[in-house]
Amino acid sequence: GAGVSQSPSNKVTEKGKDVELRCDPISGHTALYWYRQSLGQGLEFLIYFQGNSAPDKSGLPSDRFSAERTGGSVSTLTIQRTQQEDSAVYLCASSFTGFQPQHFGDGTRLSIL
Amino acid sequence: AQTVTQSQPEMSVQEAETVTLSCTYDTSENNYYLFWYKQPPSRQMILVIRQEAYKQQNATENRFSVNFQKAAKSFSLKISDSQLGDTAMYFCAFMKPDDKIIFGKGTRLHILP
Repeated sequence: GAGVSQSPSNKVTEKGKDVELRCDPISGHTALYWYRQSLGQGLEFLIYFQGNSAPDKSGLPSDRFSAERTGGSVSTLTIQRTQQEDSAVYLCASSFTGFQPQHFGDGTRLSIL
Repeated sequence: AQTVTQSQPEMSVQEAETVTLSCTYDTSENNYYLFWYKQPPSRQMILVIRQEAYKQQNATENRFSVNFQKAAKSFSLKISDSQLGDTAMYFCAFMKPDDKIIFGKGTRLHILP
């Protein structure tokens, strides 16, 4: 596709379950970013990939959060033992390395019951 | 650490008027980028305009222009001839090359008919 694709667009799950969120970046973009946006708030940085490596994981809020990227393309953000405070929109963005702006996907709205 | 501050949580203007959204930032870096992103209710993050810090000339994209004051660390967005479709959250953002974007908390802009 032409843009960043995220799936699912919405996810509702029970507290304590694990969830996986997927991001398919724009073809050729080497940099990939995950952000979290709580209701009515700005975007909170979670993790940044350059290729398959993650030089900056500083934003991951706890060890329940992890992310991987394989083949320099698709990335998966995993949240284990979900808590209600994990409810948010999770946005993925990608860019060419260097001075290019980031292009965002439509996000996954995660709701923890 | 870099910070981005948007002092106007919410604004309303009449259609066709001009509106200016404020943004200040704090950094010790000399080479960086500044962005304004728009997020309509569809929650897609859309890049409105960007400014390279090394450029003195203010960026312009059709009805959108910025007033970049590097010494004052100020980066305001002016929307001329505002339209109903401009209604959205607007985020000011800062980025060092090859790094994550740091967002402000946003300004909710309402264009009134």
